[in-house]
Amino acid sequence: GAVVSQHPSWVICKSGTSVKIECRSLDFQATTMFWYRQFPKQSLMLMATSNEGSKATYEQGVEKDKFLINHASLTLSTLTVTSAHPEDSSFYICSAAGDTLRYFGAGTRLSVL
Amino acid sequence: AQSVTQLDSQVPVFEEAPVELRCNYSSSVSVYLFWYVQYPNQGLQLLLKYLSGSTLVKGINGFEAEFNKSQTSFHLRKPSVHISDTAEYFCAVTLYGGSQGNLIFGKGTKLSVKP
Repeated sequence: GAVVSQHPSWVICKSGTSVKIECRSLDFQATTMFWYRQFPKQSLMLMATSNEGSKATYEQGVEKDKFLINHASLTLSTLTVTSAHPEDSSFYICSAAGDTLRYFGAGTRLSVL
Repeated sequence: AQSVTQLDSQVPVFEEAPVELRCNYSSSVSVYLFWYVQYPNQGLQLLLKYLSGSTLVKGINGFEAEFNKSQTSFHLRKPSVHISDTAEYFCAVTLYGGSQGNLIFGKGTKLSVKP
């Protein structure tokens, strides 16, 4: 079964609203969480890395005030897309890393109308 | 900086035929290499990885890959595919062999196995 649960799998929202995506590690403690974004026919691009209890480290070009990442516990990280616009429509994937292994969520498809 | 090129975006193949999915990488330093598979509506799953040692790496579901340093390649192969192998396959590299390192992915190759 899945060891990383990502919800929702698909969300449609109106422009200007905020959307929260959850990523939970099941049966293991995720010391590090990675958030990726994937455009059609493109590779997964790392947006940010977060360690439990610390502020996330964002990749160059990723707006930290727009993509809020919270990693408050060893089993949960959230990505909030604030004031979403159509250009934020994409596929978002989380990845949870424990001591030795890394697992990926099934992804969230965000469509902003 | 590192980069990964997957030369084929789609590979159609008949059931029980052999398949090779190509992956080339670019890096000025040594890297660790991975292949992941993504089935529909599921997260990426690790197929195999090369960290060190033998350049021929065997993974799950009968897949194997060979690390070729001189050609900077890490092609994935399977001698006989099944319908259930239909999925998207991603090649990735990282500078760190542990679970915490950032993975740099290729664009993916969609394998379609036809009966």
